[in-house]
Amino acid sequence: DIQMTQSPSSLSPSVGDRVTITCRASQSISNFLNWYQQKLGKAPKLLIYAASSLQSGVPSRFSGSGSGTDFTLTISSLQPEDFATYYCQQNYNTPLTFGGGTKVQIK
Amino acid sequence: QVQLQESGPGLVKPSETLSLTCSVSNDPISSSYWSWIRQPPGKGLEWIGYIYYSVSTNYNPSLKSRLTISIDTSKNQFSLKLNSVTAADTAVYYCARSPPGNYGMDVWGQGTTVTVSS
Repeated sequence: DIQMTQSPSSLSPSVGDRVTITCRASQSISNFLNWYQQKLGKAPKLLIYAASSLQSGVPSRFSGSGSGTDFTLTISSLQPEDFATYYCQQNYNTPLTFGGGTKVQIK
Repeated sequence: QVQLQESGPGLVKPSETLSLTCSVSNDPISSSYWSWIRQPPGKGLEWIGYIYYSVSTNYNPSLKSRLTISIDTSKNQFSLKLNSVTAADTAVYYCARSPPGNYGMDVWGQGTTVTVSS
């Protein structure tokens, strides 16, 4: 199985901050990497697919980059509605696997 | 607008079979990959498996021996059966759609909570 490791596991930025979350794959996955946002009690929501493509309807302050084993999700200016848990997920190989999550909480 | 809705019992006894259905609206079920994902209380996401049309299934090896995912094209639904459940199978279960290609899981159901307890 491909292991996905996210860092940090949690962070406490302020509104307006630039936030960067990292995801590392245990082997190369090309650009088969997706990012999801999950708010408490809700289903995950797709933000970024294919490492850097913005899902329709997602604000442009969200961006993704990377290829191979190292990937980044960036929120350019954190908004109050962005406090949530973020997961990366690889779809290069089955079993599909998720990172452990990064909780972005209010400072 | 594509919508997914999970349904099934919220309580299952240990050693019995967990059965869930995902009803798909506004998208022909033959068009995409359909996954089940679960999330134990306070934990992360685990992919359970997917089905593509009626010809292809792919299961998480950790669950494969207990798992069946099937599709009913006449009802535009797909289903999950997990047998011999234990408390470790207690989770929120989600269904989700993945269009063919490198597009991620773009539509999710709201999730349904299943508790395994006697």
